Amino acid sequence: NAGVTQTPKFRILKIGQSMTLQCTQDMNHNYMYWYRQDPGMGLKLIYYSVGAGITDKGEVPNGYNVSRSTTEDFPLRLELAAPSQTSVYFCASSYSMAVAGGGEQYFGPGTRLTVT
Amino acid sequence: AQSVTQLDSQVPVFEEAPVELRCNYSSSVSVYLFWYVQYPNQGLQLLLKYLSGSTLVESINGFEAEFNKSQTSFHLRKPSVHISDTAEYFCAVSSMDSSYKLIFGSGTRLLVRP
Repeated sequence: NAGVTQTPKFRILKIGQSMTLQCTQDMNHNYMYWYRQDPGMGLKLIYYSVGAGITDKGEVPNGYNVSRSTTEDFPLRLELAAPSQTSVYFCASSYSMAVAGGGEQYFGPGTRLTVT
Repeated sequence: AQSVTQLDSQVPVFEEAPVELRCNYSSSVSVYLFWYVQYPNQGLQLLLKYLSGSTLVESINGFEAEFNKSQTSFHLRKPSVHISDTAEYFCAVSSMDSSYKLIFGSGTRLLVRP
């Protein structure tokens, strides 16, 4: 199993540009998440999905959009990039807590995004 | 709503010394508790978790944490650290009525010196 994969690893955007961060998991997890990590701030939840076709906002959704057309993929879209979106972005996935071993979130390696 | 406080942003310690990383949480409902570790330029990995049962939980690499409901704490301890334990450690909480949503603390950087 590859686990959770993210592309690209690094990206530099100009203000106002848009891009999609890709996330794929091969563990058949129904839950998927996008977080951003800023220095000294821990991780903040941007969006999450409890299954294909179902998404919902987290703590910091402004400036982002998501879709979940398949169980495996959960792309994050940035429209009109702003310097405040400079961060490291992590995708994660998990089973529901009702499943034995559930609750553990598996993280991808991250995408480091700079907006200038 | 839940919140997590990690009071120490950085903990320097000498190799083979004991260490405690502190985590306090607040919640109006019952919670699940987690410690994640992040090595440089990597994603987070689960270190250990408390879901129910024994309040003392252990990881495979010698860390342990104890759930203390009265003090709303879940401190992480290791009796003897190694250089390879140098990493960022995050405490996280989820509520039993919204168990898939993790709230993270701001992290504690453990720096192990020779």
